[in-house]
Amino acid sequence: AQKITQTQPGMFVQEKEAVTLDCTYDTSDPSYGLFWYKQPSSGEMIFLIYQGSYDQQNATEGRYSLNFQKARKSANLVISASQLGDSAMYFCAMREFDYKLSFGAGTTVTVRA
Amino acid sequence: DGGITQSPKYLFRKEGQNVTLSCEQNLNHDAMYWYRQDPGQGLRLIYYSQIVNDFQKGDIAEGYSVSREKKESFPLTVTSAQKNPTAFYLCASSTGGAYYSNQPQHFGDGTRLSIL
Repeated sequence: AQKITQTQPGMFVQEKEAVTLDCTYDTSDPSYGLFWYKQPSSGEMIFLIYQGSYDQQNATEGRYSLNFQKARKSANLVISASQLGDSAMYFCAMREFDYKLSFGAGTTVTVRA
Repeated sequence: DGGITQSPKYLFRKEGQNVTLSCEQNLNHDAMYWYRQDPGQGLRLIYYSQIVNDFQKGDIAEGYSVSREKKESFPLTVTSAQKNPTAFYLCASSTGGAYYSNQPQHFGDGTRLSIL
């Protein structure tokens, strides 16, 4: 079974608007961590934001915020005030007890001027 | 600056040939990982190592081999047994252990491997 599901293959967003990228996960481990990475066309993976399963508040990092709904097993990434440089592929990933990361298939975001 | 260096950036393999991808890190991280990425897909774990002289198979280890003789280095060999090696390969490292479970993996810039 898929551990991480990203249902949006591609999204378009207007510059300066916000965009939400969906991520649902599946685990029976009570202790886990959720990560979001950005992959520009050049290929490198850039860490954006982290949410721990026991964290009481939603994580925020600058223009990135994570909408964590534990009961629904979802960890959606919100990018506010989109910029042209935000055009990239975005991956949700989960770390469980064995410290390995399981990645979703990714969502391609294209920011329009 | 601290980081992860992968080389070469592009690599071509002939049929029946083994090739080795290099991954070096100067972040003093205990754990290192190798991932494969096919076009338009997510990352799949090939091998990982949490400590020197020890490594474990990931989800798609067949046709690959690794070694971890030094903390800084985790080379990946793509053997002739890997029949479909064309992909983008990413190496990563992280601070190991449960205490640092909130620490992200840091990635290199990747190696693109193609069949001649």
